[in-house]
Formats: sequence, structure tokens, C-alpha cells
Amino acid sequence: EVQLVESGGGLVQPGGSLRLSCAASGFTFSFYWMSWVRQAPGKGLEWVANIRQGGNETYYVDSVKGRFTISRDNAKNTLYLQMNSLRADDTAVYFCAREGLGRDSSGWYNVGDFDYWGQGTLVTVPS
Amino acid sequence: SYELTQPPSVSVSPGQTASITCSGERLGDKYTFWYQQKPGRSPVLVMYEDSNRPSGTPERFSGSNSGNTATLTISGTQSMDEADYYCQAWDNSSSYVFGTGTRVTVL
Repeated sequence: EVQLVESGGGLVQPGGSLRLSCAASGFTFSFYWMSWVRQAPGKGLEWVANIRQGGNETYYVDSVKGRFTISRDNAKNTLYLQMNSLRADDTAVYFCAREGLGRDSSGWYNVGDFDYWGQGTLVTVPS
Repeated sequence: SYELTQPPSVSVSPGQTASITCSGERLGDKYTFWYQQKPGRSPVLVMYEDSNRPSGTPERFSGSNSGNTATLTISGTQSMDEADYYCQAWDNSSSYVFGTGTRVTVL
């Protein structure tokens, strides 16, 4: 059974830092791109960042570039999000999500979706 | 940046059909994905690549995508289908984009 378990959320003052972790199990972690997606209280979903299988390629939404860093440790089956210079508008539940893999005649490909999600961890930055 | 727009709410009577739309520029040229999120829970993928159901998604869920609009249809809606639904697509300039979300209420 695929499981993604986030941890590390909490209350942090503006300008502070926090590191989120996501422990993965039930699948071969190193085969998959992984993402962080957040949801502000009462709001919709927003993709934050993702990372390639080997960790050598990362992408970010513009609002977090230069402040957040996504990384992974495939030996520990763990995804991370280092968040620095936190602002009130970073307040959200942060979900770890696995990006879907499909297969066709050409081989494996990224489907473009998020097929499994963790339960989320709440990050609160007061204004 | 690329945007996906959904109606804020859809109401449906039990057993009837609910249609949730997702609009974006030339959305039909991309794959659309749909997620169901119940209060206090994580999102769950209910449709991928426009019209494919993951295992576990009931057959009453179907999807289509053409032109500028993708649609998630729930036939024979049940009370357990009451939830927020989000569409999602991938765009070259914006990476992963989610729709604004639709609350489905089963009256």
C-alpha cells in the first residue's frame, strides 16, 4: 500500500524557516517524480515544487523561488521541503504527492497528475 | 500564466447527473485530471488523462475534454459524492495548474 506521511509543520514567525519531510513507503520511491502541493485555509490547491527521480532537476512556482528548496534522499525514501523567509501567505496545509507514471509502447512516461497524496502538514505564519 | 476556471458550486439531487466544467485556453490540447476532496481530507485522483478512471473510482464518474472545456460528469449522484472537485492540467509556462474548485452539494 502506497503511503506518504508528512511531518515538520508548525507555527513559525515571519522570516523564519521550517523543513518539511515526507516519508514514502509501499512503492519504489526512486522511480517517481515527487511534488509538494499546498492549500491555504479555505482555499484551493496550489502546486509548489517538484523534483526528478534522481534529485538533479527541480522546479518551483514563482512565489517560492529563491525561498524554498525541494530535495530528496532516495536511500531513506524521504522527500523534503526547506522553507526559508516564510511569509503570512505561505500559511497552508502542505501535501506531499507522487506524480503518476504511465507506460506505453515507448516506455515509461510522466502522466502529469498526482496519483497519491499524503495527509498534509499545517504550516502557520502569523501576519 | 495559465488559468483554469470552474464554477464555485454545483447542486444536484440524489440520483441525478452532476456536470462540473473546467475552462482554460485550448484546454482540449492538454490532458485534464480531476481530484475529489472531502472536508479535512487529502485530495483523491478520480479521473486521469481526460476520461480514464483510476481503480477505485466508481463507474458513475466520467470525463471529457474538448476545445476550451473539460467536464467531469457524475451520473446517478450519491450523497457520498458531496465534496470539492478540482481539475488540473500541465502547462509549459506554469507547470502544474489547478482549477479554482467546485463544491458539489447533493440536496
